[in-house]
Amino acid sequence: KQEVTQIPAALSVPEGENLVLNCSFTDSAIYNLQWFRQDPGKGLTSLLLIQSSQREQTSGRLNASLDKSSGRSTLYIAASQPGDSATYLCAVNTGTASKLTFGTGTRLQVTL
Amino acid sequence: ETGVTQTPRHLVMGMTNKKSLKCEQHLGHNAMYWYKQSAKKPLELMFVYSLEERVENNSVPSRFSPECPNSSHLFLHLHTLQPEDSALYLCASSQAYNSPLHFGNGTRLTVT
Repeated sequence: KQEVTQIPAALSVPEGENLVLNCSFTDSAIYNLQWFRQDPGKGLTSLLLIQSSQREQTSGRLNASLDKSSGRSTLYIAASQPGDSATYLCAVNTGTASKLTFGTGTRLQVTL
Repeated sequence: ETGVTQTPRHLVMGMTNKKSLKCEQHLGHNAMYWYKQSAKKPLELMFVYSLEERVENNSVPSRFSPECPNSSHLFLHLHTLQPEDSALYLCASSQAYNSPLHFGNGTRLTVT
């Protein structure tokens, strides 16, 4: 059974810092891995999707990497801003019907 | 406009009530999903519909009854719920099984 772990559970950084969020998964037979952002009381917004054949994806200040063999992904956020404060979730797809297994998320706070 | 609209945003119901959650997607997607998000737990997939047919039911109690009348609409009918069913219920859609998921903002359900 696939298990997804995100460390740390919470993180607070000053504005302007670069930071890395970690995601690990137990079963490396994945189709893709997706990073989401969730603001309080809201739904999830897809940030980046990495197919199993890819090593990384970039969107603006965000860069996600994938190392399938070691069961790890990282989300790098450059020059963090207060507007980046949210919970970041990773999810791995290991089957049909978009069978995503989610981590419990990292709650990020970027302070002024 | 997220492309996926859920109503109501908040719902409080007693254990003997019957209510329904509604989801509508404006993205032309073929698959729709119900997820449950409880505090401190990963998102749990409840139901998946593809082209209006239910393709997955993750051992969800019968007090939750989904309905997908067409590819744009998805309902979750609720009856005789328990307090532990209080959670954020999220609807999502995708073009295909391995495509990115697009989430609505969820319905915050409280069962008293």
